[in-house]
Amino acid sequence: EVQLVESGGHLVQPGGSLRLSCAASGLIFNKYAMTWVRQAPGKGLEWVASIAESGDRRYYAHSVRGRFTISRDNSKNTVDLQMQSLRGDDTAVYYCARDVLRGDLDVWGKGTSVAVSS
Amino acid sequence: DIQMTQSPSALSASVGDRVTITCRASQTISSYLNWYQQKPGNAPKLLINAASALQSGVPSRFSGSGSGTDFTLTITNLQPEDFATYYCQQSYNTPLTFGGGTKVDIK
Repeated sequence: EVQLVESGGHLVQPGGSLRLSCAASGLIFNKYAMTWVRQAPGKGLEWVASIAESGDRRYYAHSVRGRFTISRDNSKNTVDLQMQSLRGDDTAVYYCARDVLRGDLDVWGKGTSVAVSS
Repeated sequence: DIQMTQSPSALSASVGDRVTITCRASQTISSYLNWYQQKPGNAPKLLINAASALQSGVPSRFSGSGSGTDFTLTITNLQPEDFATYYCQQSYNTPLTFGGGTKVDIK
């Protein structure tokens, strides 16, 4: 069974930094692109970033480009999201998802909550 | 960026009803359209990809259609476990974009 488990979310002050991690199991990790999607409280889904199978290509939403960095370690089956200069509108549940085919997100983790507040 | 517009944003239905949700893209996306179901407190679940391909394990009462800019998710014989929020998402290009969601609740 494919499993994705996110971690690292917690309360952080505006302007602060946070690193989220997603641990994958039950799959050949280096065969899949990976994606982060977030959901603000009571709101819809927002794509954040994606990284190609080998990590050589990265894509970001306009709202996070320059502040967030997606990376992966295929030897550890992990994908991370380094978040800097956090703002109140970054408050959300952050989900890690497997990208089975150019944007088809077929397996999701349970999410990790990030709250940005003073 | 491709904008995805879902309608309605919410609907009330009864068990056994047929429900139709529409999704419109701001430009043509061929068949690069996915549908997700999300229940409160849970992660989204991929129901349909490529506009009409049902994911393994998804009941056949769910179906998707459309291409270009206009798409439809249909649920026939609505069941209690189908009350949820549904999102469309285009995978034609980045940034990947989602519709605003359609909440299906019990009448």
